[in-house]
Amino acid sequence: DTGVSQDPRHKITKRGQNVTFRCDPISEHNRLYWYRQTLGQGPEFLTYFQNEAQLEKSRLLSDRFSAERPKGSFSTLEIQRTEQGDSAMYLCASSSPGLAGHKFYNEQFFGPGTRLTVL
Amino acid sequence: AQKITQTQPGMFVQEKEAVTLDCTYDTSDPSYGLFWYKQPSSGEMIFLIYQGSYDQQNATEGRYSLNFQKARKSANLVISASQLGDSAMYFCAMRPGPLGSYDKVIFGPGTSLSVIP
Repeated sequence: DTGVSQDPRHKITKRGQNVTFRCDPISEHNRLYWYRQTLGQGPEFLTYFQNEAQLEKSRLLSDRFSAERPKGSFSTLEIQRTEQGDSAMYLCASSSPGLAGHKFYNEQFFGPGTRLTVL
Repeated sequence: AQKITQTQPGMFVQEKEAVTLDCTYDTSDPSYGLFWYKQPSSGEMIFLIYQGSYDQQNATEGRYSLNFQKARKSANLVISASQLGDSAMYFCAMRPGPLGSYDKVIFGPGTSLSVIP
């Protein structure tokens, strides 16, 4: 399977607990992104990495959220002291910008997501 | 402010007919990229089509074409010959900034498309 994978696919937790999600990008992709999607909305950008460097963080990413990509391959997203408002689908995407002829491409390929429910 | 607007929360189309999904965007960057993604009920986001702000021609990918009107800041998706499998949520998205810049993508609220047999 050469697509983006995420684990777990579903997570149910109690308020106040910590959770960690994992994303494995497409192997040759150097960029990795995390998004959050609540019901009926489009995905909202959280953060992105180029190789192991975290280059951008959204203001949505409070101090309870932390993301890492230690070796420039897989990434983890941790939420500490979860709140009910954290319930959402967490999407990971990867890309590898480049040129094909004169056409620049950088589409992001998404994983299946991790659905978090905080009780 | 950078924003994507999709004014059609839900659309219906007869199988084999064409349908246009509306998208308008707002950015002050002279260079940007526009995307359309499809999200079936299974949840995965599927890339459909890309248009760069300086591309001279409207993008096409199979049955998908993007009607790009830069002066009006609109990037409507046209699906020709609709199929039952086209029933899904469709998201318009924008990458503000020049090519090779950081790649935060801003998504619109989506349009739910239902194809009727």
